Amino acid sequence: DTAVSQTPKYLVTQMGNDKSIKCEQNLGHDTMYWYKQDSKKFLKIMFSYNNKELIINETVPNRFSPKSPDKAHLNLHINSLELGDSAVYFCASSQDGRANEQFFGPGTRLTVL
Amino acid sequence: KQEVTQIPAALSVPEGENLVLNCSFTDSAIYNLQWFRQDPGKGLTSLLLIQSSQREQTSGRLNASLDKSSGRSTLYIAASQPGDSATYLCAVKGSNYKLTFGKGTLLTVNP
Repeated sequence: DTAVSQTPKYLVTQMGNDKSIKCEQNLGHDTMYWYKQDSKKFLKIMFSYNNKELIINETVPNRFSPKSPDKAHLNLHINSLELGDSAVYFCASSQDGRANEQFFGPGTRLTVL
Repeated sequence: KQEVTQIPAALSVPEGENLVLNCSFTDSAIYNLQWFRQDPGKGLTSLLLIQSSQREQTSGRLNASLDKSSGRSTLYIAASQPGDSATYLCAVKGSNYKLTFGKGTLLTVNP
């Protein structure tokens, strides 16, 4: 019954590695997002996809590449991981339309050693 | 650039007390405002969504108000309980679907 799910929940890896985080929503929403919550708990949007098309791309290093194979999935691939990438990454979704509520996944805690 | 500020950063109250959390935003051209709750190590749970044309929303013991022209929202929690202890986040949605968050208020309700 999970509305927005993410895998893995925890990810510990070495600097320089490449890793992916997967997100799936079963709400039938058209828009999906990735947010980053830093060590000070501040949440900031990274990307947004609407109907598989990129509509928001904040100032994020090119090492981060989102991929949306279909409306229900938005994966985040990170190349050449750095210490500063350590954070909690949240996926969210909403029904198309600016006025609609966003629903969040449980988060993926990424630790780069 | 939209900026969202939440005051206070932390609040500790005894059980049963009514309390108010404050949120202010710099750009009044918003589509809606959403209040979330985040428990330690967990994701965000949506509490209330207020559209830009609305003045308030209520859900159980929670009441959120919105004054778009002054860039302010409040979240009122009645008869607080220890289970209400969490971080409360305010977020506003502007153009291009962007949701801008405040840094949150850490609420502790003591039994």
